[in-house]
This record gives sequence, C-alpha cells and structure tokens, in this order.
Amino acid sequence: AQSVTQPDIHITVSEGASLELRCNYSYGATPYLFWYVQSPGQGLQLLLKYFSGDTLVQGIKGFEAEFKRSQSSFNLRKPSVHWSDAAEYFCAVGARGNNNDMRFGAGTRLTVKP
Amino acid sequence: EAQVTQNPRYLITVTGKKLTVTCSQNMNHEYMSWYRQDPGLGLRQIYYSMNVEVTDKGDVPEGYKVSRKEKRNFPLILESPSPNQTSLYFCASQGLAGRETQYFGPGTRLLVL
Repeated sequence: AQSVTQPDIHITVSEGASLELRCNYSYGATPYLFWYVQSPGQGLQLLLKYFSGDTLVQGIKGFEAEFKRSQSSFNLRKPSVHWSDAAEYFCAVGARGNNNDMRFGAGTRLTVKP
Repeated sequence: EAQVTQNPRYLITVTGKKLTVTCSQNMNHEYMSWYRQDPGLGLRQIYYSMNVEVTDKGDVPEGYKVSRKEKRNFPLILESPSPNQTSLYFCASQGLAGRETQYFGPGTRLLVL
C-alpha cells in the first residue's frame, strides 16, 4: 500500500516570506497526489491535485506543487505567505484504479509571524 | 451547494454508552469514508463504503461499525465507546474513480470519559 511522509511537524514563517512544505510518498507506480488544508476548527479543503501531465500544478489561494518522480516528492510552495495561511496542511496519496485507497501524511502545522 | 454534513459536531459521552455520528452527502457519490484524526498521526481511515450495502474495513476499524442503507448516508456507530476513541472524526465522500476529489465534512469532536 502507498504511504506518505511529511518530515516537518511544525513550520514558522514570516508574513510575506516564501513557503515550502515537504511531502514524500511511497508507491509502486505514479500515484494520485493531493494537498489539503485544514484551518482551525474546520474540515479539510483541497488545495490542489496531481494526476498526470504537467508536473507543476497550480492550486487555490496561490499555492503550487511540483511532482518529482525521481525524488518521490510532491512539495507544496507559495511565494508569499499571508497570515490567513496559518493552518495545518496534509499531503495525501491515492492509488491508481478505482479502489479510492488514499493515505494521508501526519500533517505540517504552519504558523505565520507578523 | 456540494456538502458533506456531520452531526453532532461535538459530543461528550461516557464509556460504554452507545452513540452514532451521522454523515450525509448531497453529491450522489458512491464512495464514502470515515477517518479519525489524532495529533501526530494525521488522518487514519476507519471504514469505507464503495456503494449501498458495500462496506469494508480501513486501517483502524476496531470498536466501530458502519452501515450504508442509502447512498447519501453513512453513519458511524460506536457500540461501546472507550476513552481511546476520543478523537476528531471526519466523514468524506468521493466519486468512484480514484482521481476524484474527496469532500470532507466539518468534523465531529468526540470525548469519551
């Protein structure tokens, strides 16, 4: 089965600084890859997803992620962080096919300093 | 509006007292799932359902039951809750293809005393 590792439990950045959240996956083929954001007290909202094609994926709220097969990574980036981006971010990997099997990373909590 | 709803949002109960958390979706999705979220562990799947009357265990099914009598509803049942089931629970729904987006409910925070 596939698995996901998010190496950073907690990251703090200053408002306006750039952001990169790391995600590494393990899967025997090209997976489906997702990034979700969870604001305090809220459910999970999809930021972006990768299925095939262009390895640089654009999402909502100014986020992007790049699929790097050679590194088994799908890192999330944002060029300039806003205070409202403070949240928990989850990377998820889905298996190809119709079994809907999805695994989530442990999450990275983002704090934004003024 | 596409929605997954859960009730209740917050629940405090005592060990052994049966409870049900309801989940409903309005997107006509075949696939529904329950997760629990615990600090440092991310989301772990409890049970899932590929369609009406089709359910299967996820990674952490012990102590839970589910049913899928209608396409839109997927309740989570704790027959005899224990303190280690204190957690934040999410219901999700999705179209059948693995590439479809999962839509999540707002979560149910459960405390078992």
